[in-house]
Amino acid sequence: GEDVEQSLFLSVREGDSSVINCTYTDSSSTYLYWYKQEPGAGLQLLTYIFSNMDMKQDQRLTVLLNKKDKHLSLRIADTQTGDSAIYFCAENQAGTALIFGKGTTLSVSS
Amino acid sequence: DAMVIQNPRYQVTQFGKPVTLSCSQTLNHNVMYWYQQKSSQAPKLLFHYYDKDFNNEADTPDNFQSRRPNTSFCFLDIRSPGLGDAAMYLCATSRPGTRSSNEQFFGPGTRLTVL
Repeated sequence: GEDVEQSLFLSVREGDSSVINCTYTDSSSTYLYWYKQEPGAGLQLLTYIFSNMDMKQDQRLTVLLNKKDKHLSLRIADTQTGDSAIYFCAENQAGTALIFGKGTTLSVSS
Repeated sequence: DAMVIQNPRYQVTQFGKPVTLSCSQTLNHNVMYWYQQKSSQAPKLLFHYYDKDFNNEADTPDNFQSRRPNTSFCFLDIRSPGLGDAAMYLCATSRPGTRSSNEQFFGPGTRLTVL
């Protein structure tokens, strides 16, 4: 099967930038997604990128995609304590199923 | 607001006692999914309905079944819950299309405890 890999933890200070990295294995994925999960809650879609794009920016969020290396990153500028959560990278296969990474726990200290 | 609703948010059942989890949506999406998420793990797809067509993942245990009586509702039935079935169960919906990102919208989840 295909695996989506993420580092498990990231700790930053409030106001710094956070960069969460992800590698995926299916080069045929059409879309790649970043979801946020707060404690005890469901998954909230933060942003996604189409596979023919290199970068997408949405307010404090910047997604970079390197198709050659199958590497995806999410940069959060000016990280706030409210950004503390688990961030999941996911890829779209066969038009319906999402394959998720195990999630990166972002801890923001003030 | 259009949304995905899951009931109950917390469910406690006894070992072997059947339990049903409920999901409803007001998005009018044609695809509905059930994921299982164990502690510190990625959500794992159990099955999904594409309209009325049921699609089971190959490694989903027979203990897990699903029903979709209409577009808005989908149920997850666990026939004989074991201790290993304790998890968060997430329902999601989407409306795939050629010009769609196939974005999936998730409900808040039901946390299942098996005693």
